[in-house]
Amino acid sequence: AQSVTQLGSHVSVSEGALVLLRCNYSSSVPPYLFWYVQYPNQGLQLLLKYTSAATLVKGINGFEAEFKKSETSFHLTKPSAHMSDAAEYFCAVSGGNFNKFYFGSGTKLNVKP
Amino acid sequence: DAGVIQSPRHEVTEMGQEVTLRCKPISGHDYLFWYRQTMMRGLELLIYFNNNVPIDDSGMPEDRFSAKMPNASFSTLKIQPSEPRDSAVYFCASSVRGTSAYEQYFGPGTRLTVT
Repeated sequence: AQSVTQLGSHVSVSEGALVLLRCNYSSSVPPYLFWYVQYPNQGLQLLLKYTSAATLVKGINGFEAEFKKSETSFHLTKPSAHMSDAAEYFCAVSGGNFNKFYFGSGTKLNVKP
Repeated sequence: DAGVIQSPRHEVTEMGQEVTLRCKPISGHDYLFWYRQTMMRGLELLIYFNNNVPIDDSGMPEDRFSAKMPNASFSTLKIQPSEPRDSAVYFCASSVRGTSAYEQYFGPGTRLTVT
C-alpha cells in the first residue's frame, strides 16, 4: 500500500529564505514520487517527479527534491523563496498501479516580504 | 495543447437538484481521473477510467454519485440528488500510459456550492 505524510500544513518563510517542505512516503514497491503546486483557484500543476533515475530531481521555478530511500523521504527545497511561490504544495506517490496517485494533505507556503 | 478542460467553472445549486460536471481530457490520454477537494478531507480520488472503462470507483462516496465516459474525449460526473455536503472543488485529470511516469495533468476544477 502507498501513502504520503506531509509534515506541517502551513509553512511561512521570508522572501529570499530557504524553502523546505517535507514529505515522507510509504510504499511496498519502488515508488514514483511527485510534487504538485496549486495556486489559488487553480488546478494542480506538476513541479517535479522522481521515477527511479537520479535521486536529486530538479523541477520548474527553481525547486528540487531529493529521494532518500533510507529515510523514505522526498523533501522539496528551493534556495531562495520568492513572493510568487506562495501556494499550496502536494506530495504524491504511486507504485504498483502507477496510474493511481496517493496525495498528501498539502502544505500551504506563505512568503513574507 | 489546450490542457484538460472542465465545465462549468462554478456551479451553485439547491439541495436536491441534479448536478452534472463535465471534463474533456487531453487528446491522446487514455486515463481519466475525477477528484474532489475539500478543506476537511483534502484531495480524494473518486473514480478513474482507462480507455473509457471505469477501473476503480472505490472512492465514489455513495450512490448519488455516478460517472461516465462515453468516448475518449468526454466524461461526466453526476450528483443526483445533491446535498450541501457535496460542496467542494471537483477536479478532472488525465494521463497517458507508458510515458512520463503516468504524470497526471489537472484541469482548473469546478467549484460546486450546494445550498
